[in-house]
Amino acid sequence: NAGVTQTPKFQVLKTGQSMTLQCAQDMNHEYMSWYRQDPGMGLRLIHYSVGAGITDQGEVPNGYNVSRSTTEDFPLRLLSAAPSQTSVYFCASSYGFGTPGQYFGPGTRLLVL
Amino acid sequence: AQSVTQLDSQVPVFEEAPVELRCNYSSSVSVYLFWYVQYPNQGLQLLLKYLSGSTLVKGINGFEAEFNKSQTSFHLRKPSVHISDTAEYFCAVSGSNDYKLSFGAGTTVTVRA
Repeated sequence: NAGVTQTPKFQVLKTGQSMTLQCAQDMNHEYMSWYRQDPGMGLRLIHYSVGAGITDQGEVPNGYNVSRSTTEDFPLRLLSAAPSQTSVYFCASSYGFGTPGQYFGPGTRLLVL
Repeated sequence: AQSVTQLDSQVPVFEEAPVELRCNYSSSVSVYLFWYVQYPNQGLQLLLKYLSGSTLVKGINGFEAEFNKSQTSFHLRKPSVHISDTAEYFCAVSGSNDYKLSFGAGTTVTVRA
């Protein structure tokens, strides 16, 4: 199993550009989520999904969209990048209750100029 | 909703000395508790988790944590650290019927020879 994979590993954007961060897992996990990590703030939940076709907002959803058309994939879309979205983004997946976010991807470093 | 407070942002420690990382949480419902470790430029790895049962939980790499419901704490300990334990450590909590994780701000452990 590859586990949780994320692409790209690093990206530089200009303010106003859009992009999609990719996340995939091959463990047949129902639950997937996106976090952003900023210094001194830990990880904050952006969006999550409890299964294909079902998504919901987390703590900091503004400026981000998600969709879940398959169990395996959970892309995160930045509609119009802003410097405040400079961060490290982590995708995570798990089987269900009691094991949320148990498997994390390696992260995507995003710099918005 | 749940929240987590990690009481120390930085913990310097000498090699082979013990270390304790403090974590307090707040919640109005039953919780699951987790400790994650993040090595430099890597994703998060689960160290240990408390779901139910024994309040003393043993994890990987010689770490253990104790759940104290009356003090709403979940402190992480290791009796003898190695240089390789230098990393950032995150405490996290979820409701027992909730997928979402709330993270603390993190504690940076620096082990010196």
